[in-house]
Amino acid sequence: GEDVEQSLFLSVREGDSSVINCTYTDSSSTYLYWYKQEPGAGLQLLTYIFSNMDMKQDQRLTVLLNKKDKHLSLRIADTQTGDSAIYFCAESTEGGYQKVTFGTGTKLQVIP
Amino acid sequence: EPEVTQTPSHQVTQMGQEVILRCVPISNHLYFYWYRQILGQKVEFLVSFYNNEISEKSEIFDDQFSVERPDGSNFTLKIRSTKLEDSAMYFCASRDRGDDEQYFGPGTRLTVT
Repeated sequence: GEDVEQSLFLSVREGDSSVINCTYTDSSSTYLYWYKQEPGAGLQLLTYIFSNMDMKQDQRLTVLLNKKDKHLSLRIADTQTGDSAIYFCAESTEGGYQKVTFGTGTKLQVIP
Repeated sequence: EPEVTQTPSHQVTQMGQEVILRCVPISNHLYFYWYRQILGQKVEFLVSFYNNEISEKSEIFDDQFSVERPDGSNFTLKIRSTKLEDSAMYFCASRDRGDDEQYFGPGTRLTVT
């Protein structure tokens, strides 16, 4: 079945860049997502990328996709304390009912 | 901006009791989902629902679980006889036809004692 893996924890200093990595197993994945979850809150979609793209940039966020290695990364430029949260990598496949398969989540701690 | 809402935000129940978690998806959305997140673990897919029937379900979604869209606005998840291991955050999501994004609600924290 589908599997999505992430490192559990990342600590960065305010103002530095953060890079959160993710690997997935399903070669038929069509959409790859990054969700943010703040403490006690729901899931906020940050950005997503189609599998036929290599890169997507959205303000401070840059998503890189290496489809050959099934590796996805999220770079946050100029990381702020408000970026402290858990970041989930996720994937779904076009067609069907598009259930989303989530990774384990990476807890990002931003040190002032 | 339209959003998915869920009630209650926190539900405490005793083992063996039935619970109903409620969701109001975004109006005009056609696809509905339930996910759960056990504390400290990943978010897991439970079930998807389209055209008034279950379209896909996971192994977790056994006979103790059921979903219903009783009217044009609500989408409910029922757990017939709760177990301790059902304690989790339950997220509802909805999606429009042709949209790539599932919109998640804030979640209901279920605590089974």
